Amino acid sequence: QKEVEQDPGPLSVPEGAIVSLNCTYSNSAFQYFMWYRQYSRKGPELLMYTYSSGNKEDGRFTAQVDKSSKYISLFIRDSQPSDSATYLCAMRSDDKIIFGKGTRLHILP
Amino acid sequence: KAGVTQTPRYLIKTRGQQVTLSCSPISGHRSVSWYQQTPGQGLQFLFEYFSETQRNKGNFPGRFSGRQFSNSRSEMNVSTLELGDSALYLCASSQQPGNEQFFGPGTRLTVL
Repeated sequence: QKEVEQDPGPLSVPEGAIVSLNCTYSNSAFQYFMWYRQYSRKGPELLMYTYSSGNKEDGRFTAQVDKSSKYISLFIRDSQPSDSATYLCAMRSDDKIIFGKGTRLHILP
Repeated sequence: KAGVTQTPRYLIKTRGQQVTLSCSPISGHRSVSWYQQTPGQGLQFLFEYFSETQRNKGNFPGRFSGRQFSNSRSEMNVSTLELGDSALYLCASSQQPGNEQFFGPGTRLTVL
């Protein structure tokens, strides 16, 4: 079993829809959870950084962590064509950080 | 505040050669991590430096090495290049290990 699993997509949704992106993990030592957005030919950009279970909101983005189910989500409200990118989840323990392989998201105008 | 900078942005080498990549972290950031990104394997951790010391190392062969200088700038070196080393090499900095990481634009290495 891989330590972090993320559906590669592509995921296509119409503009204005709510997007749900998810990752599962197997290592209970992971304590920090992150979501990055990566545009083509660019480095990843940090969107959300969370530590505890629960929800964290920042503008149109909400990160959700469920440690009991080992499941994290990123919700994007009122999606825009500019949100079209690859979204990477990442998880960190004391000694390592593991990234998901990313989900390609397309927002259709 | 300037972001993470990486040089060069693009590099073409041939098998057997060696390469050195450079990373300048955000001012005030003392932790630098390096990653390799390929379509097949995704983003994989290479190593992390803090205060000129390597803290963690990923599962890569010894051909991959790095160092950090007293001004927190970091370099990574790959010796005896192989075709499979073609990838985007990303550097990320943070104030301390475990803090939020901010990525640079990457160096795209092509090995022919």
